Amino acid sequence: DAGVTQSPTHLIKTRGQHVTLRCSPISGHKSVSWYQQVLGQGPQFIFQYYEKEERGRGNFPDRFSARQFPNYSSELNVNALLLGDSALYLCASSLATGSYEQYFGPGTRLTVT
Amino acid sequence: AQSVTQLGSHVSVSEGALVLLRCNYSSSVPPYLFWYVQYPNQGLQLLLKYTSAATLVKGINGFEAEFKKSETSFHLTKPSAHMSDAAEYFCAVSDYDQGGKLIFGQGTELSVKP
Repeated sequence: DAGVTQSPTHLIKTRGQHVTLRCSPISGHKSVSWYQQVLGQGPQFIFQYYEKEERGRGNFPDRFSARQFPNYSSELNVNALLLGDSALYLCASSLATGSYEQYFGPGTRLTVT
Repeated sequence: AQSVTQLGSHVSVSEGALVLLRCNYSSSVPPYLFWYVQYPNQGLQLLLKYTSAATLVKGINGFEAEFKKSETSFHLTKPSAHMSDAAEYFCAVSDYDQGGKLIFGQGTELSVKP
C-alpha cells in the first residue's frame, strides 16, 4: 500500500512569494496534519484537518493556511514568504484525530531566498 | 501544557553496544507517547507507541521503550547497535486535548562507530 505522498519534493521561492504544498494521505485515513521542521529542531505542529474541517491550529501566523478536500488530500498554503519559512514541511495522516498513530510523508523541502 | 525533553542532542555508541536515548515528558493526564526515527533527507518513521496497555513497549528494528510514570520518562533502548541505526530520533507526546497533535522533543542524533 502507498504511504503518505507529498509534492513537490523540493521548492525554491523568493521572499514575498506564495507557495502551495500538497499531501495525499494513506488510503482510508481521514485526518491530515502539517508540521514544520526547521533544520536542527523537532517538527512543530501547524494544522490538523479531519473530515475537511480544521481541528487544530498551531502557533503560526495567518500567512499559513490549509484545506482538506473530499478525497482527504490536503494543501498547505503560505503567503508572503519570509526567509524564516525555509524548512522541511511534513504531512502526516492518521485514521482520525486523537491518539491514533500519525504516519509521515517524506516532506517538502522549501528554501526561501 | 504537555512537553517533551530529550536529554543529549547527540549520542555516539560503538557497533554492538547498548543504545539508550533519553526522553522525559510533562503531562497533566496519562500521556500517549511515541518514538520516531528520521534518516537524512527523509520523513519520520514510527518506531513505537505507548498507550497505557503495557509499560514496556516493543517496536520495530529491535527497539523498545519503557514507560516510567514515577520518573515521567520514556527512554528508548536497543541491546546492540547496528550501523544502520545511525539517524535522528524524536520523542513525542500526543496532546489529545487538541485532537492528538504531536509535540516533539528537540531530537537526538545517534552515531554508530564501527
